[in-house]
Amino acid sequence: AQKITQTQPGMFVQEKEAVTLDCTYDTSDQSYGLFWYKQPSSGEMIFLIYQGSYDEQNATEGRYSLNFQKARKSANLVISASQLGDSAMYFCAMREGMWGGFKTIFGAGTRLFVKA
Amino acid sequence: NAGVTQTPKFRVLKTGQSMTLLCAQDMNHEYMYWYRQDPGMGLRLIHYSVGEGTTAKGEVPDGYNVSRLKKQNFLLGLESAAPSQTSVYFCASSNLGNQPQHFGDGTRLSIL
Repeated sequence: AQKITQTQPGMFVQEKEAVTLDCTYDTSDQSYGLFWYKQPSSGEMIFLIYQGSYDEQNATEGRYSLNFQKARKSANLVISASQLGDSAMYFCAMREGMWGGFKTIFGAGTRLFVKA
Repeated sequence: NAGVTQTPKFRVLKTGQSMTLLCAQDMNHEYMYWYRQDPGMGLRLIHYSVGEGTTAKGEVPDGYNVSRLKKQNFLLGLESAAPSQTSVYFCASSNLGNQPQHFGDGTRLSIL
């Protein structure tokens, strides 16, 4: 069954340091996509980064990178040079059937606190 | 530049009442989704649609019905509201492949 696990309910990081948010997934599909979203206290969902199951290189978007380890079924988000504005909830999500756009499920989330 | 619009933004219902949440997208997306978000549980998929006239069950479909009569609209219905359905409801839409979901601003629903 399709499943996303985020084992860190909360994380603290010092401003300007890097932080890794963990995400593991379970799927029997060979074709799938992994996403990370940010949800600030205002409530909106903001897309951060995407990794396809067939992508050989780890995805990067500015200060965000995705550490994709397919054999271990993990897709950790790395935020470099943390900023106070990075304090938010972070959700990992998986879509099975990459080109079919089928159902997408989310993990429970990790709340990140950035300290000044 | 509307994107995904959810109506209403807030609603209070009494147990047993019915209501419909409306989601509209103007991006010509094929896929639309309804999620609920409860504290500590992230977003859980209620129902989704892969095209006009089609719907499918997600992780927590019980107590909800949906319809996608037009490509741009996805309706979520509660036939007989229960306090356990108190939640924040998010609608999202997306297109094929590696495109992310676009989310509405959410509907905060309280059932007394």
